[in-house]
Amino acid sequence: QKEVEQDPGPLSVPEGAIVSLNCTYSNSAFQYFMWYRQYSRKGPELLMYTYSSGNKEDGRFTAQVDKSSKYISLFIRDSQPSDSATYLCAMSAGSGGSYIPTFGRGTSLIVHP
Amino acid sequence: ETGVTQTPRHLVMGMTNKKSLKCEQHLGHNAMYWYKQSAKKPLELMFVYSLEERVENNSVPSRFSPECPNSSHLFLHLHTLQPEDSALYLCASSHRGGGDTEAFFGQGTRLTVV
Repeated sequence: QKEVEQDPGPLSVPEGAIVSLNCTYSNSAFQYFMWYRQYSRKGPELLMYTYSSGNKEDGRFTAQVDKSSKYISLFIRDSQPSDSATYLCAMSAGSGGSYIPTFGRGTSLIVHP
Repeated sequence: ETGVTQTPRHLVMGMTNKKSLKCEQHLGHNAMYWYKQSAKKPLELMFVYSLEERVENNSVPSRFSPECPNSSHLFLHLHTLQPEDSALYLCASSHRGGGDTEAFFGQGTRLTVV
């Protein structure tokens, strides 16, 4: 079993839909959770960063962490064609263990007009 | 600009050439990373430098050689590459220690080996 599992998609949705992207993980030491957006031929851009369990909201984006289930989610409300990209989850143990982030393989999202 | 700058953005090199990729971070971080991203494959960690410690992925061939002269600069020296080494090479930096550890990426160097 990989440390971080993420469905590569593609996930195709109509404009305005609510998008749910997910990752599961196996290492209970992970405490820091990140979501990145990567457009084609560009570097990943940090979208959301959360510590431990709970929710964090930033505009149309909401990140959720459920450490008891080892499951994290990124929700995108009112999705736009400009949201079409690959979304990578990442996580690290931070100071309590390895600081090196472990990445999922990314989910390709297509939002069509 | 993300605070992490990579040069060059694009590189085409022959299999007998020697070239270097450069990365510079202006974020005050103390850890820097090289990742390889091939088409339809996950990010592959190649090397990490942090606080004078080096971590390397043992599967990375010796034709890739990293150098980290200080906490702000990172190089990847390339020699006698193979066509399968063509990929997007990404540099990232983060803070190692207590607290925030999120990594920030540069825009990458698109490498084509011919």
